[in-house]
Amino acid sequence: GEDVEQSLFLSVREGDSSVINCTYTDSSSTYLYWYKQEPGAGLQLLTYIFSNMDMKQDQRLTVLLNKKDKHLSLRIADTQTGDSAIYFCAERRGGSYIPTFGRGTSLIVHP
Amino acid sequence: NAGVTQTPKFQVLKTGQSMTLQCAQDMNHNSMYWYRQDPGMGLRLIYYSASEGTTDKGEVPNGYNVSRLNKREFSLRLESAAPSQTSVYFCASTGQGDLMEAFFGQGTRLTVV
Repeated sequence: GEDVEQSLFLSVREGDSSVINCTYTDSSSTYLYWYKQEPGAGLQLLTYIFSNMDMKQDQRLTVLLNKKDKHLSLRIADTQTGDSAIYFCAERRGGSYIPTFGRGTSLIVHP
Repeated sequence: NAGVTQTPKFQVLKTGQSMTLQCAQDMNHNSMYWYRQDPGMGLRLIYYSASEGTTDKGEVPNGYNVSRLNKREFSLRLESAAPSQTSVYFCASTGQGDLMEAFFGQGTRLTVV
């Protein structure tokens, strides 16, 4: 099976909250990341969480980590049309420098 | 600070033609990567290089070769292009700190006809 799993699509109304979910399989993962890809561009790091944290908040973004279930989520409050993009969950396992990416979730924001 | 630069941005090849995708980073990163991105498949690792002088196969290396020319440059070569290699190709590099954030180029959109 896949190492990092995400749903492929999420559609929300402007102003609502978006929650993008991810599951990973390697309990030795040290860092977990969220990358954002805007149309026609490469990926850029949006936020990250270290494995000894449960939550991280950064302005409109909240990352939650449930290590027991190996579940990571990204919540975007007050979602705007400019948030429309593909969001990739990624992990970096302990002892490795290679990031492993999920398939990406396409977030579509409707006015 | 340019970050990761890829060339070309777009390319159309005929089946059987060869080409090299170029990538350079100016962040003094040791590790560099080539990914391909296909709809519904996410990013798949083709080859990577932990440091200058070393390269290793990733998840989907067949049909590709790489060269780590120096610390800055990491090229991807298609010797005999096939329609299955139609994709968007991304080069990336990672730094040396704890976070090891990945920095990506803008991508090369390749079509093989």
